[in-house]
Amino acid sequence: QSVLTQPPSVSGAPGQRVTISCTGSSSNIGAGYDVHWYQQLPGTAPKLLIYGNSNRPSGVPDRFSGSKSGTSASLAITGLQAEDEADYYCQSYDSSHYVFGTGTKVTVL
Amino acid sequence: EVQLVESGGGLVQPGRSLRLSCAASGFTFDDYAMHWVRQAPGKGLEWVSGISWNSGSIGYADSVKGRFTISRDNAKNSLYLQMNSLRAEDTALYYCAKDRTGNQEGDNWFDPWGQGTLVTVSS
Repeated sequence: QSVLTQPPSVSGAPGQRVTISCTGSSSNIGAGYDVHWYQQLPGTAPKLLIYGNSNRPSGVPDRFSGSKSGTSASLAITGLQAEDEADYYCQSYDSSHYVFGTGTKVTVL
Repeated sequence: EVQLVESGGGLVQPGRSLRLSCAASGFTFDDYAMHWVRQAPGKGLEWVSGISWNSGSIGYADSVKGRFTISRDNAKNSLYLQMNSLRAEDTALYYCAKDRTGNQEGDNWFDPWGQGTLVTVSS
């Protein structure tokens, strides 16, 4: 039902770089709406990770970065750490509704 | 410190009603739009409803339109969600979240979120 598609899971060893894609369409990301990212650690509420496609709120490590191009966006985590193991969601806007991605579970091997 | 504390969840039979509340503190509540976002057990996030600072603009997900009503009381720094005709598929953890501005705009995000209140619809 989500209009933003993410891979169900990605994994990497500590120190590696992983990327999470968020694929939308011409009615949401492609229409020019910003993409935001949230991190949800196990058993906790989502936390804003990236806003406005590529901006990090205060306190978010610079290991996290975001980008947007066309109808897609990406979240990159460089120097993967054990504490990054969590679910990640992208969010944008479509037809007067806020929409979330399907979610991606990041596993640190 | 901004705090959002949800309450009002519980076990309810299909077809019945429930009212959720969200108590806000640590910011000027009537400067910001507010939202409800839910997460079914083991599933992803779904935006449910949003309301502008002055209640002048309200939006609902198609899945709840006509059954749920969002409201706010700026004097009490509180957000509400009246849920009627509840269905099993409404079972979820319901989060309250603060918007970045006073109005619901396309480029807005949600920050912060409360810890959620669990709604279980079952006979």
